[in-house]
Amino acid sequence: KAGVTQTPRYLIKTRGQQVTLSCSPISGHRSVSWYQQTPGQGLQFLFEYFSETQRNKGNFPGRFSGRQFSNSRSEMNVSTLELGDSALYLCASSVSTGKALLDTEAFFGQGTRLTVV
Amino acid sequence: EDKVVQSPLSLVVHEGDTVTLNCSYEVTNFRSLLWYKQEKKAPTFLFMLTSSGIEKKSGRLSSILDKKELFSILNITATQTGDSAVYLCAVDSGGGADGLTFGKGTHLIIQP
Repeated sequence: KAGVTQTPRYLIKTRGQQVTLSCSPISGHRSVSWYQQTPGQGLQFLFEYFSETQRNKGNFPGRFSGRQFSNSRSEMNVSTLELGDSALYLCASSVSTGKALLDTEAFFGQGTRLTVV
Repeated sequence: EDKVVQSPLSLVVHEGDTVTLNCSYEVTNFRSLLWYKQEKKAPTFLFMLTSSGIEKKSGRLSSILDKKELFSILNITATQTGDSAVYLCAVDSGGGADGLTFGKGTHLIIQP
């Protein structure tokens, strides 16, 4: 079956702009979790959506938001971009809600590499 | 504050060598420790450890947890170039919003 698809793969934006990233989970998976990975902070949880509802949220400012559609596809939005938002953004899909990284059946997308200049 | 520290941060070895990656932690409410391999972009699950002293094995990879000394090791024997990756350690402690605290990872490079 098709894997988790993240688009775009690479993105360059300037400070102050906003960006929207997309994640299409594996068919049948209703949970999508988003993570930010930077060399300095490592992998950090952003939020999780299940059945179009945000179930869990990490410690990120309100500039980071997301949503999930009825087909389980999820989008993540970052407004007023800062240089520090440059990172690899990963999404993970799993069947049930909870901690995606504790679910051995969770699958990650290849990520979107965002560079803010 | 919960903390997970991995060492070394990077490691370069030759094919066929055996490597040991370390993960130490300080968390208030330990539930489990997880290891992931991250190649290029997406992490893949390796092991989940909950009990001390019980080794988990998968091919040339093995891992063990010491809950008294608060650390885990990941061993890779007879390394191959395909083992080159970042290895991530995470602890499920309820500390983060999703209950997971990650280390910064060990970047392992296997030279032919």
